[in-house]
Amino acid sequence: DQQVKQNSPSLSVQEGRISILNCDYTNSMFDYFLWYKKYPAEGPTFLISISSIKDKNEDGRFTVFLNKSAKHLSLHIVPSQPGDSAVYFCAAMSGTSYGKLTFGQGTILTVHP
Amino acid sequence: KAGVTQTPRYLIKTRGQQVTLSCSPISGHRSVSWYQQTPGQGLQFLFEYFSETQRNKGNFPGRFSGRQFSNSRSEMNVSTLELGDSALYLCASTTGRDYGYTFGSGTRLTVV
Repeated sequence: DQQVKQNSPSLSVQEGRISILNCDYTNSMFDYFLWYKKYPAEGPTFLISISSIKDKNEDGRFTVFLNKSAKHLSLHIVPSQPGDSAVYFCAAMSGTSYGKLTFGQGTILTVHP
Repeated sequence: KAGVTQTPRYLIKTRGQQVTLSCSPISGHRSVSWYQQTPGQGLQFLFEYFSETQRNKGNFPGRFSGRQFSNSRSEMNVSTLELGDSALYLCASTTGRDYGYTFGSGTRLTVV
């Protein structure tokens, strides 16, 4: 039972354009969402998070949007840079489940110069 | 400030053996979580410790265990290793979820 899904295994974008990564979830108990970037054989790097009481959070080039009714969140990266090329994971957690992040399967983002 | 440190980085073990992995969280972080990453299953939660107490556990067999010490450092142990235990094991620490979870670089375990 995959509670967090990233339906696009890969995404290719031109440098300077917008990258939009999507994530869907099924568990209504999730109330906190995070995005991570990961390189092979390294740990995930935290990018940005959002609480379910908000519908948008921005940090520099990264913006996360949350649509609770659709159980959908997205990460926007503007402008995209070649250094953004990595695997991006969305993760979700509920306040009652200590320390447990439920991850999607990841989306490989490639930004072409 | 120092990040989350995991040791060793790489490990090769034989089926049936046991292994202990170590995680030193960021100073001041009292919550430590462990994850297993495999190509087939992705990132899966193993357990979480806070102030030396396991507060949460994922769906892994009892061969997987952990503990946390008074200085917040954590260890996880896998007994009777199986080939399927080959994975990247990651730990993460936090002061509170609103501050995000910081991951270490992981321990790559290969069981032969």
